Amino acid sequence: DSGVTQTPKHLITATGQRVTLRCSPRSGDLSVYWYQQSLDQGLQFLIHYYNGEERAKGNILERFSAQQFPDLHSELNLSSLELGDSALYFCASSVANPGGFTDTQYFGPGTRLTVL
Amino acid sequence: AQSVAQPEDQVNVAEGNPLTVKCTYSVSGNPYLFWYVQYPNRGLQFLLKYITGDNLVKGSYGFEAEFNKSQTSFHLKKPSALVSDSALYFCAVSSYGNNRLAFGKGNQVVVIP
Repeated sequence: DSGVTQTPKHLITATGQRVTLRCSPRSGDLSVYWYQQSLDQGLQFLIHYYNGEERAKGNILERFSAQQFPDLHSELNLSSLELGDSALYFCASSVANPGGFTDTQYFGPGTRLTVL
Repeated sequence: AQSVAQPEDQVNVAEGNPLTVKCTYSVSGNPYLFWYVQYPNRGLQFLLKYITGDNLVKGSYGFEAEFNKSQTSFHLKKPSALVSDSALYFCAVSSYGNNRLAFGKGNQVVVIP
């Protein structure tokens, strides 16, 4: 168990809908990362938050957004869902201070999103 | 831009034989290299990392990896494979000031009893 929790484990929804994925980082970790794992794209970095502030964006669609709250948990919001958004969404956390050495990222169990 | 190549889709090895999973990388500046393992319906578990120092890195569950700067490689090795090592293995790279991890496509390891 990495100490990173994600809810829900599974999510089934329809095209055009909006969903929210939740992540709680390991105790003491200030950085939260979101990744998407799909069969065609593999594991892709989406976004990084550090202590409530967005620090880096990757291949994240404009329909997707995220935030990190004062208690350091993070939410990934996916809207106007399409079939191609079906994937496993991972959250990871680390102690790392952006701009320095890359610290080990510890991954949660993931949320499997199925868009029908 | 940073990227990782894991050239083989699947690695088959007999139980008790040495296991090697290959990884080459491309990054600007000094690389930070990681190996993760993913079991079915589970998240990624950290195995080991190279940041600086000794080129041979030892990690969890008897795994080790060797950093080779001239060949831009970071191959994962285990002297004697177990059936329980059957899983999906990912190599990842990042660099100083860039915390995002760029992952390879993963290698399915199958250890045959």
